[in-house]
Amino acid sequence: KAGVTQTPRYLIKTRGQQVTLSCSPISGHRSVSWYQQTPGQGLQFLFEYFSETQRNKGNFPGRFSGRQFSNSRSEMNVSTLELGDSALYLCASSLGQGTYNEQFFGPGTRLTVL
Amino acid sequence: AQRVTQPEKLLSVFKGAPVELKCNYSYSGSPELFWYVQYSRQRLQLLLRHISRESIKGFTADLNKGETSFHLKKPFAQEEDSAMYYCALGAAGNTPLVFGKGTRLSVIA
Repeated sequence: KAGVTQTPRYLIKTRGQQVTLSCSPISGHRSVSWYQQTPGQGLQFLFEYFSETQRNKGNFPGRFSGRQFSNSRSEMNVSTLELGDSALYLCASSLGQGTYNEQFFGPGTRLTVL
Repeated sequence: AQRVTQPEKLLSVFKGAPVELKCNYSYSGSPELFWYVQYSRQRLQLLLRHISRESIKGFTADLNKGETSFHLKKPFAQEEDSAMYYCALGAAGNTPLVFGKGTRLSVIA
């Protein structure tokens, strides 16, 4: 079974630009969560989608948004990029919602904002 | 609000020495606790969860509700244990996992 895939793996953008990251979950998984990983803050939850609906949202500004498609693939968008948005963005998928479902992580997209 | 604290950013131990990675949580309900590990150049993966009470790669973790802790232990560290370890807390309902900031374990030969 193929694992979670994320594209692109690396991105370099400048301040003020916007970016779209993509995540393909494991086949059959309906829940997709996004995290921002930085050395100082660890993993911070961005949002979770289940069956095309946003179920949970973390404490991030409205510049961060996402969506999920009918095939469970998910995209995350960050508008008006700031230097502080430089991070590794991780996507995780699970069969269903709730913490009893193991989350499987992708390799991440490394975003650098100059 | 739920919170997970991992007090050590970096923990260095010698090969063969015992290892204990600390994790404390804050949650008024009945928690679900996890340890995730990220080896160099690999993706984050689940190491163990308290509900399964398993020993994975020699690691164990016991949930202590009185001390609100879920420390990860291994009696004899191996070089291949060097990695980033994250403790995570799950709460009731369909709420997202809350992760600690992680502890980097370095096992010295």
